[in-house]
Amino acid sequence: DVKVTQSSRYLVKRTGEKVFLECVQDMDHENMFWYRQDPGLGLRLIYFSYDVKMKEKGDIPEGYSVSREKKERFSLILESASTNQTSMYLCASSSPTGTGGWGYTFGSGTRLTVV
Amino acid sequence: QQQVKQSPQSLIVQKGGISIINCAYENTAFDYFPWYQQFPGKGPALLIAIRPDVSEKKEGRFTISFNKSAKQFSLHIMDSQPGDSATYFCAASMAGGTSYGKLTFGQGTILTVHP
Repeated sequence: DVKVTQSSRYLVKRTGEKVFLECVQDMDHENMFWYRQDPGLGLRLIYFSYDVKMKEKGDIPEGYSVSREKKERFSLILESASTNQTSMYLCASSSPTGTGGWGYTFGSGTRLTVV
Repeated sequence: QQQVKQSPQSLIVQKGGISIINCAYENTAFDYFPWYQQFPGKGPALLIAIRPDVSEKKEGRFTISFNKSAKQFSLHIMDSQPGDSATYFCAASMAGGTSYGKLTFGQGTILTVHP
């Protein structure tokens, strides 16, 4: 069964800490994504990567950075965590669906609380 | 800027009823429209998708209706069951070019089906 695995289900961090969220996929997908999910706002794209060491900003990149040193691993970094970054973070990888679009496989999410 | 607007935010339906969730988009370059289903504690999973060259797509009890001129699409769940209780997200993307299949999501609809 194909998988996207996020290293932590729950994290509690202090304001100002540097936070690493890790994501690993076993499907050999080129594209990987980080979204945050907030009630009433849906899923908003933070960053994505279309190849090793390649990355592009999404819609809300401020306060975040990413790293992709290996194809299967995509890390989200909060340089200095703030309370407004308390959220559910979802990692995904994608592959063509055969109907002209891309199908995403999501991890189960990391619920981050910044205190 | 929310490029995909979804309504309603929450929906309560009786078992056996029809659930209808609506989405509207702004970007006419979008050409792939999937729906994702998310159960508590899980990441979203692809449910059904449509391209704009057809007006309707049906898979079992789930149907997407698409109105290109109005830039709207909707999900219909026939004979709704308690097991359908979940959060539903519509999304849109551009299939080709440098989009890498980035999905823009709606705000989500929490569906509750009462037995």
